[in-house]
Amino acid sequence: ETGVTQSPTHLIKTRGQQVTLRCSSQSGHNTVSWYQQALGQGPQFIFQYYREEENGRGNFPPRFSGLQFPNYSSELNVNALELDDSALYLCASSHPSILYNEQFFGPGTRLTVL
Amino acid sequence: SQQGEEDPQALSIQEGENATMNCSYKTSINNLQWYRQNSGRGLVHLILIRSNEREKHSGRLRVTLDTSKKSSSLLITASRAADTASYFCAIRTDSWGKLQFGAGTQVVVTP
Repeated sequence: ETGVTQSPTHLIKTRGQQVTLRCSSQSGHNTVSWYQQALGQGPQFIFQYYREEENGRGNFPPRFSGLQFPNYSSELNVNALELDDSALYLCASSHPSILYNEQFFGPGTRLTVL
Repeated sequence: SQQGEEDPQALSIQEGENATMNCSYKTSINNLQWYRQNSGRGLVHLILIRSNEREKHSGRLRVTLDTSKKSSSLLITASRAADTASYFCAIRTDSWGKLQFGAGTQVVVTP
């Protein structure tokens, strides 16, 4: 177990709705990254937050947004849900001082969009 | 798009046999990492190899890296049923930042 927690575990939404996923980083980690993993695929980088600022973004539309809080926990928000947003959403926490900035992954949130 | 490509996509072996999977990528890298994922859950970090390293070992795992061919291999020796999982390679092009994953190799180890 990495100490990274995510909630909820599973979520079912309908197309057009909005969703918020939450991640608590491992103690002492100030960086959180979010990934989307479609069924049968590898994770795709969505964005990264470092000390409450977004400092890197993958090829995802603006309806994917995030926040990082002073305690370094994080939220991923997705607006106007589409069927293709159905996936496992993973967050990973890290700290630049950790050798090679190793990322520690949470168990994920399974989002189903109907 | 996936930056790494694993080969094979699926592998079925018996306990005690070795499992080898390969990863190819297209860009210059800072390091390459291998992860395991059980039943679509969180990723577990297995091993990291830097761009200036050629081979690393960790327990029953052996990773090689050939930057001239832009490829890496993961060998699991004396496999166990508990090794059944999906294995992903991920590249990092700078010292920190996003990981770029391949599509994975699904390994099934039968008793």
